[in-house]
Order: sequence, then C-alpha cells, then structure tokens
Amino acid sequence: DAKTTQPTSMDCAEGRAANLPCNHSTISGNEYVYWYRQIHSQGPQYIIHGLKNNETNEMASLIITEDRKSSTLILPHATLRDTAVYYCIALGGGADGLTFGKGTHLIIQP
Amino acid sequence: GAVVSQHPSWVICKSGTSVKIECRSLDFQATTMFWYRQFPKQSLMLMATSNEGSKATYEQGVEKDKFLINHASLTLSTLTVTSAHPEDSSFYICSAREWGVTQYFGPGTRLTVL
Repeated sequence: DAKTTQPTSMDCAEGRAANLPCNHSTISGNEYVYWYRQIHSQGPQYIIHGLKNNETNEMASLIITEDRKSSTLILPHATLRDTAVYYCIALGGGADGLTFGKGTHLIIQP
Repeated sequence: GAVVSQHPSWVICKSGTSVKIECRSLDFQATTMFWYRQFPKQSLMLMATSNEGSKATYEQGVEKDKFLINHASLTLSTLTVTSAHPEDSSFYICSAREWGVTQYFGPGTRLTVL
C-alpha cells in the first residue's frame, strides 16, 4: 500500500469546517483512499473512502485531486466530539490488513 | 449497519493465565476478520488476518502459538492470549470485512496483565 503523509496535529474552531490534508504521491491506480478516525480509547471509526471521484456522506466529504496524489477530508461543521486522531490510508482492492501511520490529531476548540 | 462488537471491553488477569477475546460482526457476515493491537501513544499494528474456516495468517514478529486465533463462523472470531505476561498488556482491536474492502472495527479490549 502507498505511503501517506499527514500533518501531526491541527486545530479547528467549533462550528467551522475542518480540512484535513493527506499526501499519497505514490498511490497506484487500484488503491482507494480511506479515512478512519480514532477517538481516545475506542476502536477506529470508518469515515469515508474514494477512488477517483469526490465523495460525500453524512459524516464528511472527501476531495481527491485529479492526479490522485493528495486528498482532503472535510468535516463541514466540526463539533467537540470530532476531536480525534484521523488516519488517511491508501488501500488496494485486494488488500488485507490496514497499515496505520501516526495520523493527524485534530483538536476542536470551543 | 456494519456493527462489530468485542467482549470483554476490559480484562485484568494474572501473569501466566490465558485470556480469550471475542469479536462478533452483528449485522453482516465477515469473510475476513483482523486483529490489531495498540500500545500507549502508538498507532494500531496488525497482528493477524483470519478467514472463516481457515488458519490465520500472522504478521512478522507475532507469535502464533501465543496468540491463538479461531474464526469458526462468519460472525465470530476469537483471540486467545496464552500464558499472558505484563508485556502483553495492550489494547486489542478487531475488525471485520464482508466482501468489499472496507473494514469495520470493534470497540477494543483493554488487557492488563499483572
């Protein structure tokens, strides 16, 4: 699976949009971009994934650049409960386990 | 949908005893289940992959005789930590996958070995 690079930490004001970047410059054509988050002492929670097109669900939006070398996860109206470590993972279609990097620690400020 | 449960959520045991952790997919059939562990202030590390009815595949450095995995049905996988020692104290998390790529995670089990 391609390596991903994320900022170590980010702050965002409550009620504002949180934009979390991820670089995956070596991603291959069959690898999806997945986002999970882990709130302290809980199992990771699936957020969203995409291949080429931008995706939106009830939790977030995923914007993937045309060359697929980077992506941005957008939480449109961040709340305090969105404080967590966010992981961006490139995952092939037939892949097995996930390789977690250090992720981005997003802190939502009141 | 896509709910995965784990039991117990936490366990404390004495050194030398064995501990079994259950992972269940509640609303889907999991063809593949995964076991991860997470030490304090670290990311999750994959321990093993199990397919229903097959032997588990362990990651390098994970002792298969110490961490016994059974995936006897499409909704249940168990991880048994045999002869547990304090260094096995960790947060153990399972995930399950149906036919696609997306994995759904359980809430985790915190193991403390005294």
